[in-house]
Amino acid sequence: DGGITQSPKYLFRKEGQNVTLSCEQNLNHDAMYWYRQDPGQGLRLIYYSQIVNDFQKGDIAEGYSVSREKKESFPLTVTSAQKNPTAFYLCASTEQGAGGYTFGSGTRLTVV
Amino acid sequence: SQKIEQNSEALNIQEGKTATLTCNYTNYSPAYLQWYRQDPGRGPVFLLLIRENEKEKRKERLKVTFDTTLKQSLFHITASQPADSATYLCALDDSNYQLIWGAGTKLIIKP
Repeated sequence: DGGITQSPKYLFRKEGQNVTLSCEQNLNHDAMYWYRQDPGQGLRLIYYSQIVNDFQKGDIAEGYSVSREKKESFPLTVTSAQKNPTAFYLCASTEQGAGGYTFGSGTRLTVV
Repeated sequence: SQKIEQNSEALNIQEGKTATLTCNYTNYSPAYLQWYRQDPGRGPVFLLLIRENEKEKRKERLKVTFDTTLKQSLFHITASQPADSATYLCALDDSNYQLIWGAGTKLIIKP
C-alpha cells in the first residue's frame, strides 16, 4: 500500500541536541511538507519542497533544517536553536494540483 | 493576514442525528477549501475538497458547502455514528498555494 512513513513515533531530545525526524513516501508525489501541531492551534508549516534538491521555508522555519536529495525522502532536523521543540510533527505529501494531502502518522518530540 | 476559525468547543451529537461543523475565514478569497479528519495521535486524513465555484459537494454521508459571500464552509455528517467521533480540520489555500489550517473542532457522537 502507498503511503507516508514517519519515524520514530516518539522521540526525546536533550537540551542542546540536534535530532532528525524521518519521512519517506512511496506515492511518487512531487511536493512534501513538514508541519508542527500544538494543542489548540492549527497546523503550522515549517518547510516544504516541490521538487528534488529544492525546498522553501514555511512560517516557522527558524531552528529547523531539511534536505530533499531523493523524491521519496524529506527528513527534518530539529536543531538546538529551536527553543521550544516539544510538539507533534507531521509530514505530508501531495501531487501538485491534485487536491488533498496525504499525512504520515506523526512524530511526537519531547525535550527532556 | 488570512485567518480561519473553527469552533474550539467540542460538539456533542446524538447518534443518528446530523452533525454540522463550521469553518469561517477572513481576509482572503481562497480558490478551494479542504476538510480532514484527525484521530488522537494520528495524522489528518483527507475527506473532501470544494472549489470556489462549487456550492456543495457530497461523499457518502458527508456534505460540504462553500459560501464565498459569507466566507464560510459547513461540513455535515448525516446519520452520525460513534465511529465518526474525531477532530475535524478545515484548510484553505493561501496566495502561495500553501494550506492555512484551522485548529479543528472535536466531534463526539454519543450512542
